[in-house]
Amino acid sequence: EIVLTQSPATLSVSPGERATLSCRASQSVGSNLAWYQHKPGQAPRLLIYSASTRATGIPARFSGSGSGTEFSLTISGLQSEDFAVYYCHQHNNWLEVTFGGGTRVEMK
Amino acid sequence: EVRLVESGGGLVQPGGSLRLSCAASGFEFDGYTMHWVRQVPGKGLEWVSGISWSSGSKGYADSVRGRFTISRDNAKNSLYLQMNSLRVEDTALYYCAKDSLHNTGMDVWGQGTTVIISS
Repeated sequence: EIVLTQSPATLSVSPGERATLSCRASQSVGSNLAWYQHKPGQAPRLLIYSASTRATGIPARFSGSGSGTEFSLTISGLQSEDFAVYYCHQHNNWLEVTFGGGTRVEMK
Repeated sequence: EVRLVESGGGLVQPGGSLRLSCAASGFEFDGYTMHWVRQVPGKGLEWVSGISWSSGSKGYADSVRGRFTISRDNAKNSLYLQMNSLRVEDTALYYCAKDSLHNTGMDVWGQGTTVIISS
């Protein structure tokens, strides 16, 4: 099983600032990594797939990078609606999917 | 409108069974891989199981393999999760999710159905 480790667990950021979230895989997943935003009481929302491609309707302030075992999600110019929990997800093999433990982005 | 609606959750005693359903609409259901993902209260997302468009391939998390069975009925645009030998640690909100065209991410999610395992 591929283990995804996200850091930090919690990130305190002021509105307008940049937030950078990290996701490390226990073995290479190529570019087969996605990011989700999850708010309380809502369904998770796909932000990024294939490491760096924004999903439909996702604002340009969200960007993803990385390959192999090291990935990052950057939110530039954080807005109030961006405070949420973010998960990475490897889809290298859809029959053995795993999620990271999540990073909570909270208001500083 | 693309939509997934889960149902079938409830309160069950340990060792019991439950069958979750997910009704899909607004897209060609038989063209996509589908998944069940759960979230234990206060914890993160955990993938439970996935099934290919044809039901020819199925995957399970180690934590549920041998106890849960995923299935689908493309004629009814429905996804199912049969859960047997339920444990307290299976208590969670269960989401149904649609994979994208090339299995690169779950792009549509339902609102979830709650399963509580307690005596």
